[in-house]
Amino acid sequence: KNEVEQSPQNLTAQEGEFITINCSYSVGISALHWLQQHPGGGIVSLFMLSSGKKKHGRLIATINIQEKHSSLHITASHPRDSAVYICAVSVYTGNQFYFGTGTSLTVIP
Amino acid sequence: DVKVTQSSRYLVKRTGEKVFLECVQDMDHENMFWYRQDPGLGLRLIYFSYDVKMKEKGDIPEGYSVSREKKERFSLILESASTNQTSMYLCASRNRGQVQPQHFGDGTRLSIL
Repeated sequence: KNEVEQSPQNLTAQEGEFITINCSYSVGISALHWLQQHPGGGIVSLFMLSSGKKKHGRLIATINIQEKHSSLHITASHPRDSAVYICAVSVYTGNQFYFGTGTSLTVIP
Repeated sequence: DVKVTQSSRYLVKRTGEKVFLECVQDMDHENMFWYRQDPGLGLRLIYFSYDVKMKEKGDIPEGYSVSREKKERFSLILESASTNQTSMYLCASRNRGQVQPQHFGDGTRLSIL
C-alpha cells in the first residue's frame, strides 16, 4: 500500500536551477507536510499545508486538494539545499502520518 | 522550539542483546512515535503512544516493544536484537489535534552485529 507517492526518487541539479518535487496521495488528509532530512539524519518540518500555497525564502509549497497533489519548488537552488525531501500526510482518523519514500536532491556547484 | 532528544546518535550491539533506545521531548506533547527508516522504504511506524502508559502498534511492531512511564519519555526496546533490525531509528512527538506537525529527533543509527 502506498498512500503517498513522490517523484522523482533522485534529482541532480546545477546551482541556480529551479527544482520541483512532486507528491501524490490517495487518502483523505487533514494536512500535507514537507520535511527535509540532511545527511546525518535529523528531520525538520518545512511546511504544513491544507490548501493553497506557502512560501518560505526560496522554498514554495503548493497543494491541490481536488487532485490530491502537492509540489515543492526550490528557486535558485544552492548546494546547501542538498538533502532528502519527504512528503507526508496526516489523516483525520487516528494519529498516524503516511510518508513518501523521499526525493534525494543533490545540487552541484 | 520543540526539542526531541534521542539518547544515542550511533549504537552498535550484538545479536540477541536487549537494546533500549530512549527519547525525551520537552514540550508536553501527548503523542510520541517511533519509526525506522530504511533505504527505498521511507519511514515506517513501529509504535506510537497517545498518553502515558498507552501504546498502539504501528505497521511493523514485531520484535519491538515500547514503554511510556512518563509523558516526556518514550522508550523503544528490542527484546532480542537481530541483524535485520539494523536501521536508522527516529523518534517524533506531536501535540494533540488534527493539524499539528511532528517534531523529530536526530535519529539513532543502530547496527546489530
